[in-house]
Amino acid sequence: GQQLNQSPQSMFIQEGEDVSMNCTSSSIFNTWLWYKQDPGEGPVLLIALYKAGELTSNGRLTAQFGITRKDSFLNISASIPSDVGIYFCAGQRSNDYKLSFGAGTTVTVRA
Amino acid sequence: DAGVIQSPRHEVTEMGQEVTLRCKPISGHDYLFWYRQTMMRGLELLIYFNNNVPIDDSGMPEDRFSAKMPNASFSTLKIQPSEPRDSAVYFCASSSTGRDTEAFFGQGTRLTVV
Repeated sequence: GQQLNQSPQSMFIQEGEDVSMNCTSSSIFNTWLWYKQDPGEGPVLLIALYKAGELTSNGRLTAQFGITRKDSFLNISASIPSDVGIYFCAGQRSNDYKLSFGAGTTVTVRA
Repeated sequence: DAGVIQSPRHEVTEMGQEVTLRCKPISGHDYLFWYRQTMMRGLELLIYFNNNVPIDDSGMPEDRFSAKMPNASFSTLKIQPSEPRDSAVYFCASSSTGRDTEAFFGQGTRLTVV
């Protein structure tokens, strides 16, 4: 599938800091998804966004579906050590169900 | 629900051997996806099924790869003959038609071809 442009590629943060990452695409998606992958595990869904402009929270996580439908961001507030992992954005069009993934953002938290 | 179940979790095989990866999707899901993950290429979609029928196999690397879904609760991805460059983590995911179409992933099979 088409690769999404996800940034940053990696980040080192201090425990307690807020984290932001985003994804952009040259084409429109109808659904944006954010996943987290721990070492040796499969991606786990964090947040699903279905409507342009939608802002959704899940605990310390907040994600938004861009108005243009070509971008999305994920924020993590007050990071903790277990936030370590790789975060992936994924986009889905309405005419098929396959996902296009970003390259991932690797988050490392310093205690 | 037990989630998407994949087996084996790890597979080490010699070049030239046949490898079969297995997947049990979430009950009631009508879409099943096979992805491959490598450091170089990230998560790539290989093939996906809807109601047991292959819809798009354009991501299958070459004829050595084949996938089947004989029923709604089981799918296989076969590599014959395997090559070292096939070494990767292979994920199966499933989703359902409707408003909430997000895909749920299995834990993956780490394949090493030596």
